[in-house]
Amino acid sequence: NAGVTQTPKFQVLKTGQSMTLQCAQDMNHNSMYWYRQDPGMGLRLIYYSASEGTTDKGEVPNGYNVSRLNKREFSLRLESAAPSQTSVYFCASSEKAVVNYGYTFGSGTRLTVV
Amino acid sequence: AQKITQTQPGMFVQEKEAVTLDCTYDTSDQSYGLFWYKQPSSGEMIFLIYQGSYDEQNATEGRYSLNFQKARKSANLVISASQLGDSAMYFCAMRGDGGSQGNLIFGKGTKLSVKP
Repeated sequence: NAGVTQTPKFQVLKTGQSMTLQCAQDMNHNSMYWYRQDPGMGLRLIYYSASEGTTDKGEVPNGYNVSRLNKREFSLRLESAAPSQTSVYFCASSEKAVVNYGYTFGSGTRLTVV
Repeated sequence: AQKITQTQPGMFVQEKEAVTLDCTYDTSDQSYGLFWYKQPSSGEMIFLIYQGSYDEQNATEGRYSLNFQKARKSANLVISASQLGDSAMYFCAMRGDGGSQGNLIFGKGTKLSVKP
């Protein structure tokens, strides 16, 4: 099925370990996003890439880095995981960065840092 | 700054009844879009309905309708004839043409439980 694919679906890390969350979309969308979802907090934007070759910080970027590898792929890296980064992470994409275009979401990655 | 407020952390509704989920927003953008997403217990985010700030008619999609009151800055979701499968988290979101770099911002969500 066309859409946004995230890997892995589940991950347990020890404090201080690093990992990269992968995201790929096959809809030829220009913009891609990483959000985290915590109980009672809704979804908060970590980083986004408005177009291939650009990345910008969102609301909660500390502790994360991103790479827009090409138009299809946008990865999120945790260099030194902390328990506060325990969350569900969603990747999303949008065809255009205009108000009437919504996002297509991946199925999420549930990350636990112990 | 842009903000979405959902004041109902949880709601119950009887099967086959209608329910309204509240959403208010704050923005200084002239043009913006309002979205509702559903998140069932399986975790995926499902797009339900969209309303543009310049749309004169309220949006409808099947059993979902959006009660858009621009002057009051509200965009409530109405679900008619609730079904057990409607039990989920519901998120209101907004995308403006200037604030938040045009990115989608979300409210904290409302958990809807449908009782048989």
